[in-house]
Amino acid sequence: EVQLLESGGGLARPGGSLRLSCEASGFTFPNHGMSWVRQAPGKGLEWVSGITNSGGSTYYADSVKGRFTISRDNSGSTLFLQMNSLRVEDTAIYYCAKEEYQPGGFDYWGQGTLVTVSS
Amino acid sequence: SYVLTQPPSVSVAPGQTATITCGGNNIGSKSVHWSQQRPGQAPVLVIFYDSQRPPGTPDRFSASNSGHTAILTIDRVEAGDEADYYCQLWDTGSAQYVFGTGTKVTVL
Repeated sequence: EVQLLESGGGLARPGGSLRLSCEASGFTFPNHGMSWVRQAPGKGLEWVSGITNSGGSTYYADSVKGRFTISRDNSGSTLFLQMNSLRVEDTAIYYCAKEEYQPGGFDYWGQGTLVTVSS
Repeated sequence: SYVLTQPPSVSVAPGQTATITCGGNNIGSKSVHWSQQRPGQAPVLVIFYDSQRPPGTPDRFSASNSGHTAILTIDRVEAGDEADYYCQLWDTGSAQYVFGTGTKVTVL
């Protein structure tokens, strides 16, 4: 059974940092691209960042470019999102998603981790 | 950046057909996926590559993509279909994934 378990969310101050993790199981992690997608309270889905299966290429939404860094540990089947210079508007549930149908068909999603940026 | 536009809401009676549009410039040249998000839950993929159903998606769900509009159709709508629906694609030009604005389907 495919499982994606996010962690690392919580409360951060504006300008602060958080590191999200997504532990994957039930599939061959190194074979799949992965992404982070967020959803602000009461709002729609917003793609944040993606990474290819090898980690050789990374992609970012304009809203987070230069502040967030995506990475992965294929030996540990874990996806990461380092979030720096956090802003109030980064407040959202952050989901990790497994890409099955390239490009962009995410067939499994985690349950999400809540990030709140507030002073 | 590439923009995908969906109607904010669609209302449909049980047993009828719901049609959800997703508009984008020359979207017919791109591969479109559709996800369903029930309240309080993570999204679930219901259509990939314009019109393919992943395992578990009922055949009441169908989709097409041509010109400037992709369409998700739900036949014989059930109460359990009440959810938000999002189209999504990869925009090669910007090297970014893009989600549509989302459509809330209400079953009357």
